[in-house]
Amino acid sequence: GESVGLHLPTLSVQEGDNSIINCAYSNSASDYFIWYKQESGKGPQFIIDIRSNMDKRQGQRVTVLLNKTVKHLSLQIAATQPGDSAVYFCAENTYNQGGKLIFGQGTELSVKP
Amino acid sequence: DAMVIQNPRYQVTQFGKPVTLSCSQTLNHNVMYWYQQKSSQAPKLLFHYYDKDFNNEADTPDNFQSRRPNTSFCFLDIRSPGLGDAAMYLCATSRSYTDTQYFGPGTRLTVL
Repeated sequence: GESVGLHLPTLSVQEGDNSIINCAYSNSASDYFIWYKQESGKGPQFIIDIRSNMDKRQGQRVTVLLNKTVKHLSLQIAATQPGDSAVYFCAENTYNQGGKLIFGQGTELSVKP
Repeated sequence: DAMVIQNPRYQVTQFGKPVTLSCSQTLNHNVMYWYQQKSSQAPKLLFHYYDKDFNNEADTPDNFQSRRPNTSFCFLDIRSPGLGDAAMYLCATSRSYTDTQYFGPGTRLTVL
């Protein structure tokens, strides 16, 4: 069945370091993935997305990498700041199921000053 | 600037007392979704509307209903809230099934 999972539930980094958050998926037909950031008590905030016709996509301080061979994607945050502290979810958009988002379990990123 | 608005942000209700949560959007998106997120868990889809067409998830309890009177508004009705329904309820919208979903701030529901 479909599933999207994260490797690590928590990640602690020093301010200024780069952060890498990983995600694995099981459905080889999956072709649209989104990363969301969720701060405590708030709704998920869109960060970046990637479709299967790409291996890499860059935004402001963030990069998403997609490896279809091993069904893995990652979110890289450059020069991590205290404001990046949050839970990060990867999600698969199953547009053949009404756009239902299947979320991974989430990784809590903690940035130490 | 708020694009997806949810009211109220915090709702307290009594066991078994019906409650309605509200979502509105200024994006003119076709699709509106309701997700339930329990503590330390990922959001889980309850149902969605594509325009006026309602689409329920197979495992959503009958206790949860929804209404979409127009493009901008969508409501979540919980007919008889139980203690297990305490959660954050998230509304999201998208232009189509293949487009990005944007979430509102959520409504935190407490059931006493």
